[in-house]
Amino acid sequence: DAGITQSPRHKVTETGTPVTLRCHQTENHRYMYWYRQDPGHGLRLIHYSYGVKDTDKGEVSDGYSVSRSKTEDFLLTLESATSSQTSVYFCAIMDWAHSGANVLTFGAGSRLTVL
Amino acid sequence: GENVEQHPSTLSVQEGDSAVIKCTYSDSASNYFPWYKQELGKRPQLIIDIRSNVGEKKDQRIAVTLNKTAKHFSLHITETQPEDSAVYFCAATSFGNEKLTFGTGTRLTIIP
Repeated sequence: DAGITQSPRHKVTETGTPVTLRCHQTENHRYMYWYRQDPGHGLRLIHYSYGVKDTDKGEVSDGYSVSRSKTEDFLLTLESATSSQTSVYFCAIMDWAHSGANVLTFGAGSRLTVL
Repeated sequence: GENVEQHPSTLSVQEGDSAVIKCTYSDSASNYFPWYKQELGKRPQLIIDIRSNVGEKKDQRIAVTLNKTAKHFSLHITETQPEDSAVYFCAATSFGNEKLTFGTGTRLTIIP
């Protein structure tokens, strides 16, 4: 599982509160990603990072921010959580070792419920 | 940007029968097409992939076919078993691109 750890694994919070999800990797991968998974929508990219302090938006970035101050950590922050952000969040790394192909390896996921 | 459509959204198959999941993509520059399997409560994991320089790839009971002209690719599972029950995602990208675009997923249920 490429040494990817997500925390917390489960969180229940109230509308309007800030939430930070953490993704930690131990194998020095350059590219890290945050996806959300919702029924009927599949896996949608929120933000990704291509190095320390280098991040870019995905297709559903509104309401989310990210930070990457160290290679091993990629944080996803919901500044003011809304019920529409109730979802399962997956962190992933891009592993180029698979014959040079761009293979995503996912963390175990973080289930967030916003009441 | 790339857009990937996946069908069907749900599929039920008798154990031992075959299952086929189809995806279409929009960007003719895409040349790498992976498939991910997500078992209940688990993370998605790569099960097979295909590059645009080949039309078919097999790995035991699973195979993927690609039609570049029509911009569609399919996952075929033969002799289905209960452990094949899962959600399957197709994806498309160009080789070396740092972003993948996923389909919306197919929930496959194998009926004993």
